[in-house]
Amino acid sequence: DGGITQSPKYLFRKEGQNVTLSCEQNLNHDAMYWYRQDPGQGLRLIYYSQIVNDFQKGDIAEGYSVSREKKESFPLTVTSAQKNPTAFYLCASRTGQGARGYTFGSGTRLTVV
Amino acid sequence: AQSVTQPDIHITVSEGASLELRCNYSYGATPYLFWYVQSPGQGLQLLLKYFSGDTLFQGIKGFEAEFKRSQSSFNLRKPSVHWSDAAEYFCAVGGASATNKLIFGTGTLLAVQP
Repeated sequence: DGGITQSPKYLFRKEGQNVTLSCEQNLNHDAMYWYRQDPGQGLRLIYYSQIVNDFQKGDIAEGYSVSREKKESFPLTVTSAQKNPTAFYLCASRTGQGARGYTFGSGTRLTVV
Repeated sequence: AQSVTQPDIHITVSEGASLELRCNYSYGATPYLFWYVQSPGQGLQLLLKYFSGDTLFQGIKGFEAEFKRSQSSFNLRKPSVHWSDAAEYFCAVGGASATNKLIFGTGTLLAVQP
């Protein structure tokens, strides 16, 4: 079955370390997104990519970086510059038809220790 | 400005009772509207979506939503709530262009009493 796979499900990071969250999709979707979720704040867009080798900053891109070398993959790196990285991170993808067909992964919970 | 407002942060209903979750949106073009549900520690699952046409839409799990253009609302309803419906519900709005992103509300947490 097609879907989005996020790994790992739980991730612990020491302060000052960079960490990369994986997001892979086999839906042949063009666009991919990273959202951050904090209690009471809904989903906030970090980065998104409409096509391979291209990506744009979302609303809260500071302290994060991404790459889109393959259509199937959109990894997110949380750098040491992100002041408050503890959160639940969600990856999503969609077809090229407007706002239709958003599919979400099951998320990665990142905790800084 | 484009935005989605879910005025109820937390709602508690009794099992078997009816449910209505409110959603108001602000969008400059014809909106595409969505309701998602999230169980704890999980991703978001699409409940239903509106693109055009009728005002009342049926989704999965017995949910329905009514689109009212004059009120910029897209409220989610269920006639009889089950204990398994306890979750967080998100309303989202987007546009037809391939470059449009979804804008999410802050969510409504639903608790179901036995």
